[in-house]
Amino acid sequence: QKEVEQNSGPLSVPEGAIASLNCTYSDRGSQSFFWYRQYSGKSPELIMFIYSNGDKEDGRFTAQLNKASQYVSLLIRDSQPSDSATYLCAVNVYSSASKIIFGSGTRLSIRP
Amino acid sequence: DTAVSQTPKYLVTQMGNDKSIKCEQNLGHDTMYWYKQDSKKFLKIMFSYNNKELIINETVPNRFSPKSPDKAHLNLHINSLELGDSAVYFCASSQGFKGDNEQFFGPGTRLTVL
Repeated sequence: QKEVEQNSGPLSVPEGAIASLNCTYSDRGSQSFFWYRQYSGKSPELIMFIYSNGDKEDGRFTAQLNKASQYVSLLIRDSQPSDSATYLCAVNVYSSASKIIFGSGTRLSIRP
Repeated sequence: DTAVSQTPKYLVTQMGNDKSIKCEQNLGHDTMYWYKQDSKKFLKIMFSYNNKELIINETVPNRFSPKSPDKAHLNLHINSLELGDSAVYFCASSQGFKGDNEQFFGPGTRLTVL
């Protein structure tokens, strides 16, 4: 079983709609969860992090964490063409203090 | 001001050669990383240093040797390059070595081995 799993996509969403990105992880001891955005040919950049169960909102972005189900998601409201990118879910490894594991990413395409 | 910089941006070389990639961060961070991103966009940790000490050493061929002369620099030397080494290599840094810190990535070095 992969440590961090994401649907590779592409996920196509109309402009103005809600994009929903999902991620599951296998390490029950994981405490920190991150969403990075990567535009084509660019480096990953952090857009959200979440440590506690529940929802965390930042502007148009909402991260949702359910540790019991080992599931973390990212919602993007009012999707814009500039949101078109690959979204990488990352999870810390409990047994290794500094290590985070990345999922393979979901490619999101916002159609005008 | 560039926070995490890498040189070179592109590297094209023949199989069997030895090459180095340099990384520098001006964020004052203690921890630096090397990641490899393959053609399927999978980003995999290779090494991590905290204050010049190696703290993560993943299952990476020993042809890859990192070096951290000080906490602002982390270089990667690769001996006897192979076709499978072709990838984008990202350097990153974070404040502290715990897994709850944001990592800041450099622009990447695209390595092509012919």
